Amino acid sequence: ILNVEQSPQSLHVQEGDSTNFTCSFPSSNFYALHWYRWETAKSPEALFVMTLNGDEKKKGRISATLNTKEGYSYLYIKGSQPEDSATYLCAFSNAGNNRKLIWGLGTSLAVNP
Amino acid sequence: EAGVTQFPSHSVIEKGQTVTLRCDPISGHDNLYWYRRVMGKEIKFLLHFVKESKQDESGMPNNRFLAERTGGTYSTLKVQPAELEDSGVYFCASSQSGLAKNIQYFGAGTRLSVL
Repeated sequence: ILNVEQSPQSLHVQEGDSTNFTCSFPSSNFYALHWYRWETAKSPEALFVMTLNGDEKKKGRISATLNTKEGYSYLYIKGSQPEDSATYLCAFSNAGNNRKLIWGLGTSLAVNP
Repeated sequence: EAGVTQFPSHSVIEKGQTVTLRCDPISGHDNLYWYRRVMGKEIKFLLHFVKESKQDESGMPNNRFLAERTGGTYSTLKVQPAELEDSGVYFCASSQSGLAKNIQYFGAGTRLSVL
């Protein structure tokens, strides 16, 4: 069974706080890990695609790390802003079917001004 | 450049009726995917087209669902007859040919409510 677990399920922080979420995935047959940012009624927006163990990617105040051996990825947001409020979704694909994304439930982030 | 567009954005139908969802991928993207998110659950893969061919339809729930991509451009997903459990948000995504790690670009989804 291929499961993707995300924690926490939801998070409330104050503007300016830094925060991080976790995505756990099966480490065997790993191919790629995707992070998306999703606001309801809008298109999920791709943040990062990572494939290599130890990969670190950064986009503005958001960064992500990847550990394929132990099967986890962290997403960090530095100095959260109200506009960061959204659901952050991770999805992984395995080498057996590397285009089919398997998703976690997401972490819902609310940033209070 | 236009992104992935989906139509309609919202559809409310009664159990037993038929609904057809449409997806226009980004121009030039050979790969097209359908996903579904049922409220409170994770997004689930439905199927994957490469041009007009179904590459993987392992996620299609049952034979009430029919996806087509004639000519390898836009795609339709028809649900006939719709059941209550078909309610959810249906997402379409597209990606370039080549590496499987290419980003999948998503549309805003069609929210289907079956009453």
